[in-house]
Amino acid sequence: GENVEQHPSTLSVQEGDSAVIKCTYSDSASNYFPWYKQELGKGPQLIIDIRSNVGEKKDQRIAVTLNKTAKHFSLHITETQPEDSAVYFCAATLRDDKIIFGKGTRLHILP
Amino acid sequence: DGGITQSPKYLFRKEGQNVTLSCEQNLNHDAMYWYRQDPGQGLRLIYYSQIVNDFQKGDIAEGYSVSREKKESFPLTVTSAQKNPTAFYLCASSPVGTGGRETQYFGPGTRLLVL
Repeated sequence: GENVEQHPSTLSVQEGDSAVIKCTYSDSASNYFPWYKQELGKGPQLIIDIRSNVGEKKDQRIAVTLNKTAKHFSLHITETQPEDSAVYFCAATLRDDKIIFGKGTRLHILP
Repeated sequence: DGGITQSPKYLFRKEGQNVTLSCEQNLNHDAMYWYRQDPGQGLRLIYYSQIVNDFQKGDIAEGYSVSREKKESFPLTVTSAQKNPTAFYLCASSPVGTGGRETQYFGPGTRLLVL
């Protein structure tokens, strides 16, 4: 079946450095790719999204890139801060209007 | 203050017992979803509904049931047939746009534990 692969599962970066999380998807019809941040014991919160007619989108320290030909998209966080520590999920829409999620990346920001 | 609410925050289930998790939204969204989250498993879809009085099974519907009698409400019942119900349950909603490619907004979750 369709799936979304997300890497790495755990990522530790020094405060102030950049973090990159990568996802690949299998459904060529996917055209909407949201990213969510989940803090401990809370529901996921949308942090940025991108649609298939755009190659890159940026919002302050967060950016997402999309390569439709290769079917992969990435989240980039620059100048990381302690409050960026959380679990991040990528997702892609399927033909039947559902969203399929990656398994998540646990990001640790080291002081 | 618009949003999605889930209750209770923690729920305990005894063997053989059915329990119901509440999900309410005041965002006027047509679509609502239930996910189960286990460590290292990401989010898996249990049931979803795109309109009142209609719902479809997701990837792991066995042992669960839902109803959608009102647009604002989408309760999930975990039945005694669900043998491993311990998990974090998340409800989400989204407006149904063209092709349904709309953002899903999540509630705070309910943690279900088995006694």
